[in-house]
Amino acid sequence: ETVMTQSPVTLSASPGESVTLSCRASQSASSNMAWYQQKPGQAPRLLIYGASTRATGIPARFSGSGSGTEFTLTISSLLSEDFAVYYCQQYNNWPAITFGQGTKLEIK
Amino acid sequence: EVQVVESGGNLAQPGGSLRLSCAASGFTFTSHSMNWVRQAPGKGLEWISYISGSSSTIYYGDSVKGRFTISRDNAKKSLYLQMNSLRAEDTAVYYCVGGSGRLFEYWGQGTLVTVS
Repeated sequence: ETVMTQSPVTLSASPGESVTLSCRASQSASSNMAWYQQKPGQAPRLLIYGASTRATGIPARFSGSGSGTEFTLTISSLLSEDFAVYYCQQYNNWPAITFGQGTKLEIK
Repeated sequence: EVQVVESGGNLAQPGGSLRLSCAASGFTFTSHSMNWVRQAPGKGLEWISYISGSSSTIYYGDSVKGRFTISRDNAKKSLYLQMNSLRAEDTAVYYCVGGSGRLFEYWGQGTLVTVS
């Protein structure tokens, strides 16, 4: 099983700032990495797939990078609606898909 | 507009059974794979099962293998999850998720299963 470790667990930031969330895989995930956003009481929403490709309708302030075992999600110019929990997911070790434990992005 | 709507979540006793259903619309159901993903209260996401568009390929996560059965009816654009031998640790919100290949693009709002 590929274990996904996200850091930090909680990140405090202010609207307008830029933040970077990290995800590390216990073995290579190649570029088969996705990022999801989940707000309280809602289902997750696909943001990024293929490590760096934005899903349909996702604003350009969301960007992903990385390959192998190290990945990042950067959110620039934070809006109030961006405060949520973010999950990374590897789908390289198919079908043993695994998610990270999540990073909670909270308002400072 | 894409819509994915789960139903069937309920309170079940340990050792009992439940059947979840999922109705999809707004995308070409037959050409999309479908998955079940669950989330225990206050916890992260866990993928539990996959079925290809033609039902020819099915996978399960280790935590549900041998107890849960995924199926689909393309004519009805519906996905199902038969859950047997339920345990307390199966308590979670269950999401029906559709996507192209390995992507998890279309998520329902989830249905709550409580085993107690």
